Amino acid sequence: GQQLNQSPQSMFIQEGEDVSMNCTSSSIFNTWLWYKQDPGEGPVLLIALYKAGELTSNGRLTAQFGTTRKDSFLNISASIPSDVGIYFCAGFPSGTYKYIFGTGTRLKVLA
Amino acid sequence: DTEVTQTPKHLVMGMTNKKSLKCEQHMGHRAMYWYKQKAKKPPELMFVYSYEKLSINESVPSRFSPECPNSSLLNLHLHALQPEDSALYLCASSQGNINSGNTIYFGEGSWLTVV
Repeated sequence: GQQLNQSPQSMFIQEGEDVSMNCTSSSIFNTWLWYKQDPGEGPVLLIALYKAGELTSNGRLTAQFGTTRKDSFLNISASIPSDVGIYFCAGFPSGTYKYIFGTGTRLKVLA
Repeated sequence: DTEVTQTPKHLVMGMTNKKSLKCEQHMGHRAMYWYKQKAKKPPELMFVYSYEKLSINESVPSRFSPECPNSSLLNLHLHALQPEDSALYLCASSQGNINSGNTIYFGEGSWLTVV
């Protein structure tokens, strides 16, 4: 099925570093969701975005709904070992009934 | 803790078995979903129920049969599955209007292995 372009695919960072990832598409989206998934578990909602330009924080996480409505960004500040996992974006295109998921960003944190 | 609970957590079944996955949500949502997720891939939509009626079937083989007994329960009946059906099956829920981009909340998933 259709997927969003999510980058980077994976990243290794040192504990304490900041992390940035993004999702882009040629389609316009009405909603963006960001999830974290640990191995063997279901995706856990981190941040939901509903308006173009919206900037929302959840602790050390900050996400933005791109002004063109075609992209979204997630930043993690001062990473810690428990940030390890796979991060997925999901966008809801205009005039549709289902979310399109990004391919995921695998984050590994080196202590 | 998630308010979408799934059972069982793990299931191993033979290709001739009949089994069911169960999901319950306590969020007052009126839309419920089944997704399938293979390793290192994003979730793929299978079925959507809105107000207890099947709204979307993403061309899923008939060996998967969903059921929504009431607004908080969702089942997935499994019969004559193939080894390639082994995956993590995720239940999710949201507000009832599935065309509005409402936030989707996932359960912890049921790991299915078909032998």
